[in-house]
Amino acid sequence: GAGVSQSPSNKVTEKGKDVELRCDPISGHTALYWYRQSLGQGLEFLIYFQGNSAPDKSGLPSDRFSAERTGGSVSTLTIQRTQQEDSAVYLCASSFTVTSSDTQYFGPGTRLTVL
Amino acid sequence: SQQGEEDPQALSIQEGENATMNCSYKTSINNLQWYRQNSGRGLVHLILIRSNEREKHSGRLRVTLDTSKKSSSLLITASRAADTASYFCATSSNTGKLIFGQGTTLQVKP
Repeated sequence: GAGVSQSPSNKVTEKGKDVELRCDPISGHTALYWYRQSLGQGLEFLIYFQGNSAPDKSGLPSDRFSAERTGGSVSTLTIQRTQQEDSAVYLCASSFTVTSSDTQYFGPGTRLTVL
Repeated sequence: SQQGEEDPQALSIQEGENATMNCSYKTSINNLQWYRQNSGRGLVHLILIRSNEREKHSGRLRVTLDTSKKSSSLLITASRAADTASYFCATSSNTGKLIFGQGTTLQVKP
């Protein structure tokens, strides 16, 4: 079946602009995660959603970052007033549930470049 | 923030040789997983080892876990050029939130 998809694959934006990154998880997966990979910080957890529960936002680096998941499926990560340090690859993953033993399947990522 | 460190940061070997990568972590865990990443994009899950397991095999992969030392190792036997990639360990506790190591870049020369 189809894997996790993300769009766009690449995004170049100017400092100060807002961007939206989209993630389509594997059908039937109730848990969805966002991670960020940058040269300086490596792979970092940002946020996860599990069903209708309140999301765990503990990894979001600032209040410029927000995410929502509509209808328990597609998720959008929004970065407002982008800064150059936001440049990174943003990875989305989904799993059947949020328990630690469930394999997370990753999408190809969105490479964000802030000029 | 990173859970721990991996070593070596980079490893270059000849095809057919074995590759060993190590991972250390800081807090108690439920399980530890290894992922492979090609060309800086999507991560591919390789293997998961639970905190009550000490060793696990999957094809040419062998993973060990020492919870007393908070460390794990990934062994790839009889390496192939296609194994060239970055390898990351990731730990999780009660939820699926993954905390990643810094990664090891493996180059297998044909």
